[in-house]
Amino acid sequence: SQTIHQWPATLVQPVGSPLSLECTVEGTSNPNLYWYRQAAGRGLQLLFYSVGIGQISSEVPQNLSASRPQDRQFILSSKKLLLSDSGFYLCAWGGSGGARQFFGPGTRLTVL
Amino acid sequence: GIQVEQSPPDLILQEGANSTLRCNFSDSVNNLQWFHQNPWGQLINLFYIPSGTKQNGRLSATTVATERYSLLYISSSQTTDSGVYFCAVDSGGGADGLTFGKGTHLIIQP
Repeated sequence: SQTIHQWPATLVQPVGSPLSLECTVEGTSNPNLYWYRQAAGRGLQLLFYSVGIGQISSEVPQNLSASRPQDRQFILSSKKLLLSDSGFYLCAWGGSGGARQFFGPGTRLTVL
Repeated sequence: GIQVEQSPPDLILQEGANSTLRCNFSDSVNNLQWFHQNPWGQLINLFYIPSGTKQNGRLSATTVATERYSLLYISSSQTTDSGVYFCAVDSGGGADGLTFGKGTHLIIQP
């Protein structure tokens, strides 16, 4: 069966520091991968998606970037965090062609 | 972009009650999913239902694509049903990224 992992589970970082969040998927090949952010406990916003290694598309302009160095690995990064980057970051995977999406456990990021 | 509205925003029920959650969307969609977020933040995929009706135990969902709405039914509620229920549709962008509604916060009291 497929599983999706995210780490770290929680993170507290000062403003201006770098960020790296990792997501890995097991039990599937060539998945579509997604990063979402949930702010204030409601509603998720799609940040990035990837259909393959090295292929990243951004849905919203922001202070973050994403990379996909391996088929089942998706990384969310920032060079300098802002207060507004605080939130709950969720990684998801899905098949192609409008399939169901399955979410990881998430990372709670607090920027102070 | 596509708009997703969920109602009611909050719902408090006694254990054993039935409930109906509604999701309206502003444009035609190829992909509609219902999720449950538990108190620890984990999102569980309940249904993939771009049209028609599906049932899974005490939960069922119906999507009327021509009228741009979906309903999630919860019967004989249990305290473990508490949490936030989200409706999400394909955003119209690439790779089937989802646009989420703001959710319905459901509290089931014993």
